[in-house]
Amino acid sequence: SQQGEEDPQALSIQEGENATMNCSYKTSINNLQWYRQNSGRGLVHLILIRSNEREKHSGRLRVTLDTSKKSSSLLITASRAADTASYFCATDAGYGGSQGNLIFGKGTKLSVKP
Amino acid sequence: DSGVTQTPKHLITATGQRVTLRCSPRSGDLSVYWYQQSLDQGLQFLIQYYNGEERAKGNILERFSAQQFPDLHSELNLSSLELGDSALYFCASSARGDGTNEKLFFGSGTQLSVL
Repeated sequence: SQQGEEDPQALSIQEGENATMNCSYKTSINNLQWYRQNSGRGLVHLILIRSNEREKHSGRLRVTLDTSKKSSSLLITASRAADTASYFCATDAGYGGSQGNLIFGKGTKLSVKP
Repeated sequence: DSGVTQTPKHLITATGQRVTLRCSPRSGDLSVYWYQQSLDQGLQFLIQYYNGEERAKGNILERFSAQQFPDLHSELNLSSLELGDSALYFCASSARGDGTNEKLFFGSGTQLSVL
């Protein structure tokens, strides 16, 4: 079953604009991760935010986490055509402990037009 | 390049057949994860191995099995294949097998087509 659900399912913007993607999850988590997937390729890790963190930055990426609302957002600033990809949030299965396996949402498909 | 190697990249086979997908993790990583990605189901966790032992099991069918060998490479065996098994199969690896607290490195996947 899906733990995280991304919103929107698809997003189309112009180069230079900001892109915001949201993720909601169902049960308590230890951490939340964001991954990127270029069409048909393997996923690439972007950022990990721990449950006791509220915001984290990495280059043009900003991730927020609101554990009270069970939600996270990924902001890509000054987007580029090369940012065109699908973006996934991933959390642990919520079973407690460290089972080590990540559960992925269905992703947001971002299209950045030049 | 993630350092995770998956072979073959593409596999076309018929219903009822059996195939083996292979994965070599990143150098030094002890844990391997298998995921299945399809348009309708998204990215589904199948199974995880750590240093040769099964650590966690997800939505893996009984027709599917996996193992991790002493050299840490892993194989995913899919048998009695059905049309619905057509999907992209990913292998990922991590250092400590604690995928919720560490990043996973994904291979480029094996595209399986069952005709």
